[in-house]
Amino acid sequence: EVQLVQSGAEVKKPGESLKISCKGSGYSFTSYWIGWVRQMPGKGLEWMGIIYPGDSDTRYSPSFQGQVTISADKSISTAYLQWSSLKASDTAMYYCARQEANSYYFDYWGQGTLVTVSS
Amino acid sequence: EIVLTQSPATLSLSPGERATLSCRASQSVSSYLAWYQQKPGQAPRLLIYDASNRATGIPARFSGSGSGTDFTLTISSLEPEDFAVYYCQQRSNWPPGYTFGQGTKLEIK
Repeated sequence: EVQLVQSGAEVKKPGESLKISCKGSGYSFTSYWIGWVRQMPGKGLEWMGIIYPGDSDTRYSPSFQGQVTISADKSISTAYLQWSSLKASDTAMYYCARQEANSYYFDYWGQGTLVTVSS
Repeated sequence: EIVLTQSPATLSLSPGERATLSCRASQSVSSYLAWYQQKPGQAPRLLIYDASNRATGIPARFSGSGSGTDFTLTISSLEPEDFAVYYCQQRSNWPPGYTFGQGTKLEIK
């Protein structure tokens, strides 16, 4: 069974750093892309970026380039999304999702990680 | 940049009725269009890909159609569990990436 299991909810202060994770299982982790999607409270879905764990090829949405870093550790089948300095506007639910190579849609999703940034 | 516009923003129907949701692209996306369902407190779930192909495990009452710029998601007879928010999504060549429509909320009338 394909599963993407994300790390738990986080409460942080502005200016703090954060790294959240997404662990894949039930499939070949290095053969699929992992994307990250933001959903701000009461809002829609926004694509942030994507990584291919097989070779760490990473692409970012222009809206998120320079704001976050996406990485992966294929030895433990885990992808990461990190911030070096959080802002209140980063408060959102963050989802990871799997994408087949040469595809564009996301067929399996993690359960989401809620990040709250507040002083 | 390709923009996806979904309509209506909210659709109020009763169980057993037929639902028709629209997604319009600002330029042609061929058939590279996917639909997702999101229920409150849950992650999105893939329903349809390549405009008309149902994802694994998706009931036959869900169907997709269209190509180019105009796409439709149809739910033939609404079940109580179908009331949710629906998003369309496509791949963009420039800027490279993926975009989602703003969503259609399907609510119980």
